[in-house]
Amino acid sequence: AQKITQTQPGMFVQEKEAVTLDCTYDTSDPSYGLFWYKQPSSGEMIFLIYQGSYDQQNATEGRYSLNFQKARKSANLVISASQLGDSAMYFCAITGTSYDKVIFGPGTSLSVIP
Amino acid sequence: DVKVTQSSRYLVKRTGEKVFLECVQDMDHENMFWYRQDPGLGLRLIYFSYDVKMKEKGDIPEGYSVSREKKERFSLILESASTNQTSMYLCAAIGGSSYNEQFFGPGTRLTVL
Repeated sequence: AQKITQTQPGMFVQEKEAVTLDCTYDTSDPSYGLFWYKQPSSGEMIFLIYQGSYDQQNATEGRYSLNFQKARKSANLVISASQLGDSAMYFCAITGTSYDKVIFGPGTSLSVIP
Repeated sequence: DVKVTQSSRYLVKRTGEKVFLECVQDMDHENMFWYRQDPGLGLRLIYFSYDVKMKEKGDIPEGYSVSREKKERFSLILESASTNQTSMYLCAAIGGSSYNEQFFGPGTRLTVL
């Protein structure tokens, strides 16, 4: 079984500062993928970044980077230079070898303060 | 740049009605999913499909069925809607050269009266 834990229900960050959103996971699959999504108040789920378990380098997409520490089973999302539009719920998710199920964590609510 | 579309953003139905939620993707992805999202419960997987006419139950399939007659279309069916099925329903498709893309539709907020 796979599980995602996000221990920060809510986070605040000052505009232009960097913020790290925590995600730890548990899986028995030898190969897996980790996703991060953003969900603004409008409700749509926006795909941000993906990390494969065998990827040698940490994933980056613009201001988003994924701090992947396989031995610790953590996949934290780092947002650099926060913007007011980054205020949203953020979900970490995991999928297994066959990509037939994607399990989501409970989410972290991020508020960016001007 | 549309990737995943859902037939309705908002839907209001009465208890006992049969409800169809349609999802269409234009990415030629194999795997498609239906989730429901409720406050405090997060996203829960209802059903997923890994190919045409293939489906697997997720964590909460009771009261739902699905249909995938074409690769691009995955339908969620509420056979007899009940008030506890009032929720946000999200469709997603996953694929890409290394299965590193999962895109969601805009969601359907269903209210059952």
